[in-house]
Amino acid sequence: AQSVAQPEDQVNVAEGNPLTVKCTYSVSGNPYLFWYVQYPNRGLQFLLKYITGDNLVKGSYGFEAEFNKSQTSFHLKKPSALVSDSALYFCAVGVVWRRALTFGSGTRLQVQP
Amino acid sequence: DAGITQSPRHKVTETGTPVTLRCHQTENHRYMYWYRQDPGHGLRLIHYSYGVKDTDKGEVSDGYSVSRSKTEDFLLTLESATSSQTSVYFCAISADNEQFFGPGTRLTVL
Repeated sequence: AQSVAQPEDQVNVAEGNPLTVKCTYSVSGNPYLFWYVQYPNRGLQFLLKYITGDNLVKGSYGFEAEFNKSQTSFHLKKPSALVSDSALYFCAVGVVWRRALTFGSGTRLQVQP
Repeated sequence: DAGITQSPRHKVTETGTPVTLRCHQTENHRYMYWYRQDPGHGLRLIHYSYGVKDTDKGEVSDGYSVSRSKTEDFLLTLESATSSQTSVYFCAISADNEQFFGPGTRLTVL
């Protein structure tokens, strides 16, 4: 069985400061890892993914994430937060990419001006 | 949006009535999924399909059935809706090592 933990329900950060949204996972085998963002009353939008290769993955809107196999983590980061980054963020894991993903419970990011 | 539409976008129904949600895609993708989103639970897989007439259960499949008679359409049916099935339902497809999601259907069961 595979699982994802997002330990923070909400993260608050001031505009211009760096942000981190945490994600840890548990799978049997090599993981495929994803971050999605959801704005109010919208569907999920893809941010970035790790399948294989470089542990540092760069994605949309200046976000990046680092795959850490020993810590089974895939934290989402951004050097300088924007108010417009305020949204709900989901981490997801899969083992075989064509199968369904297992999602974390989500972290609400609030960026204050 | 990978050409995914969902209908209806909003529905209010009463306990015990049957409900069918439709997911339609225009790009001939093989894999399609139904998830439900609830506060504190993220998205949970209900059913998925890996081809016409080929479907399988997800982690929260009780009370739901699906059908896929054409590549482009994946239907989710609540045979007898219950209040616990009040949720937002998302359809998704797999393409290019990513999943793309539809706009969602907000279902309220009174």
